[in-house]
Amino acid sequence: GNSVTQMEGPVTLSEEAFLTINCTYTATGYPSLFWYVQYPGEGLQLLLKATKADDKGSNKGFEATYRKETTSFHLEKGSVQVSDSAVYFCALNPSSGSARQLTFGSGTQLTVLP
Amino acid sequence: EAGVAQSPRYKIIEKRQSVAFWCNPISGHATLYWYQQILGQGPKLLIQFQNNGVVDDSQLPKDRFSAERLKGVDSTLKIQPAKLEDSAVYLCASSQGGHSTDTQYFGPGTRLTVL
Repeated sequence: GNSVTQMEGPVTLSEEAFLTINCTYTATGYPSLFWYVQYPGEGLQLLLKATKADDKGSNKGFEATYRKETTSFHLEKGSVQVSDSAVYFCALNPSSGSARQLTFGSGTQLTVLP
Repeated sequence: EAGVAQSPRYKIIEKRQSVAFWCNPISGHATLYWYQQILGQGPKLLIQFQNNGVVDDSQLPKDRFSAERLKGVDSTLKIQPAKLEDSAVYLCASSQGGHSTDTQYFGPGTRLTVL
């Protein structure tokens, strides 16, 4: 079946540090890949997505590249801010099958200290 | 553009009681999803509707959970009777279609506590 594995948290960084959150997936075919973010007290928001191999999704300084050969979609940001503190979820949507449900990883809690 | 609306935001009930959640998707979105998010885990799909038909309810505990989407717009999710393990955040999401590349937009969720 489909699955997503994220690096375990929590992750604590100082402001302006470099961020990497690892994400690997298992799926047949060519799924679409997503990063969602959940700020405290709020719902899930799409951060970025990539729909085919070698695509790079980017938004708000965050980037992730769809690597088919390593089945990965790692999230990176060059300089984090306190306002980036949130829980980050990697997710996939399979390319086949009658349903289009998202399969999520377990989430990575990020705390950025001033 | 208005986002996905859900109500109530919080609900506390005793076990064996019943509870209902309401969702209003983004206007024009054909596909609606209900997810269950247990603390410390990623959301898990319960049911997916395409317009007012069910596409996937394979992970819905049908002995106690039910959902409907009348007229292909609003949806309600019901639990009857509730168990302690149903304590979770229930998220509603919608997307324009059911394609794998479509973005799903999430509501703020309903946090359910079963005592």
